[in-house]
Amino acid sequence: KNEVEQSPQNLTAQEGEFITINCSYSVGISALHWLQQHPGGGIVSLFMLSSGKKKHGRLIATINIQEKHSSLHITASHPRDSAVYICAVLPTSGTYKYIFGTGTRLKVLA
Amino acid sequence: NAGVTQTPKFRVLKTGQSMTLLCAQDMNHEYMYWYRQDPGMGLRLIHYSVGEGTTAKGEVPDGYNVSRLKKKQNFLLGLESAAPSQTSVYFCASSWGEVTEAFFGQGTRLTVV
Repeated sequence: KNEVEQSPQNLTAQEGEFITINCSYSVGISALHWLQQHPGGGIVSLFMLSSGKKKHGRLIATINIQEKHSSLHITASHPRDSAVYICAVLPTSGTYKYIFGTGTRLKVLA
Repeated sequence: NAGVTQTPKFRVLKTGQSMTLLCAQDMNHEYMYWYRQDPGMGLRLIHYSVGEGTTAKGEVPDGYNVSRLKKKQNFLLGLESAAPSQTSVYFCASSWGEVTEAFFGQGTRLTVV
């Protein structure tokens, strides 16, 4: 079993829909990152959080440390949101080594 | 700001050839990382550095070497004798501290034939 599990693996949505991507992990963590990777492109950091909730534009990230779970929400989705979203956790073991999920591939149709 | 810049962006190597990937960052970050990304797998850490002149092995270090030059903004990833198993997309990242936001480069797509 992977230490970081994302669901769903693939997601197709219509423009305007509310989207939720989930990340569950099995280790104690210092921080969790949500990353975005566009096709053929680089990786961009969306959020880093260790508790509570963060919001940036149409994106909202939440984390529940006790339940070892985080969600990334996209409101009013748009085709330009089509990308792979990656969850990465930094374990408290202190080895600077992020553990990455395999990503959720999102496609938003116009 | 350029952020994190990787060169080259694409490369095709023959088995046994060597090459160096360059990562440069202009944010004065202490921590730098090299990852590889393969289909169906999460990014895996190859080597990392927590400061000028220091390097350490990550999860998949075999077949790679790294150096963090005195100019601490650069982090080099070397393949001494490339193998087809090293065909992958390589990402460099940097961060100011251990639990701070990481910034990624655009990636280097390497094919070893």
